[in-house]
Amino acid sequence: SALTQPRSVSGSPGQSVTISCTGTTSYSGDNNYVSWHQQHPGKAPKLIIFDVSNRPSGVPDRFSGSKSGNTASLTISGLQAEDEADYYCCSYAEAYIVFGGGTKLTLL
Amino acid sequence: QVQLVQSGAEVKNPGSSVKVSCKASGGSFSNYVISWVRQAPGQGLEWMGKIIPTFGTINYGPKFQGRVTLTADESTNTGYMELRSLRSEDTALYYCARSKIRDMYTSSWVDLWGQGTLVTVSS
Repeated sequence: SALTQPRSVSGSPGQSVTISCTGTTSYSGDNNYVSWHQQHPGKAPKLIIFDVSNRPSGVPDRFSGSKSGNTASLTISGLQAEDEADYYCCSYAEAYIVFGGGTKLTLL
Repeated sequence: QVQLVQSGAEVKNPGSSVKVSCKASGGSFSNYVISWVRQAPGQGLEWMGKIIPTFGTINYGPKFQGRVTLTADESTNTGYMELRSLRSEDTALYYCARSKIRDMYTSSWVDLWGQGTLVTVSS
């Protein structure tokens, strides 16, 4: 099933933004199999959140994830210039992996 | 530090096939899942399929079923993606990505991406 993200969000340096990802409940029911990936222009994606709310080593704690019902969310607090990028949610609950359409974060 | 190193850019004619490779440099494919994801110019990420070499499990995304073949050579830690009957809409960056195995059908999160291979389909 499809994952729906807003096409774009924006925020000023130092502020917080939240990106939603709807459609994360799988056929097998509720789960924590959601990840988030950051992609800068011309670069490969990079994992920033796995299993809904876990950060890989090296990812700043300004990035946090959560999930409520059918919607997962990525919150970036204390926005910095280098956070301007595209963000993709991903569901790996089933044998078929699904990516959201992506959200472009613009810093004002 | 393990890296996924992909083969170089390709230019193909419509109707032909392309085969992209993905080698785990400094590591092994054992106990890992290799997915293939493509990104058309200016577009988002699109999952094409995955292979679990340990179990021989292969899943293809519905859009690509019948036109793509995923294989893996565990002896060389290299995965391959072949896409046939190419059309202009297949022009995209093709990424391989690694996940750990969760069970014989599913994977955990993608934790490592290749650098991408640009495939251009043009006459």
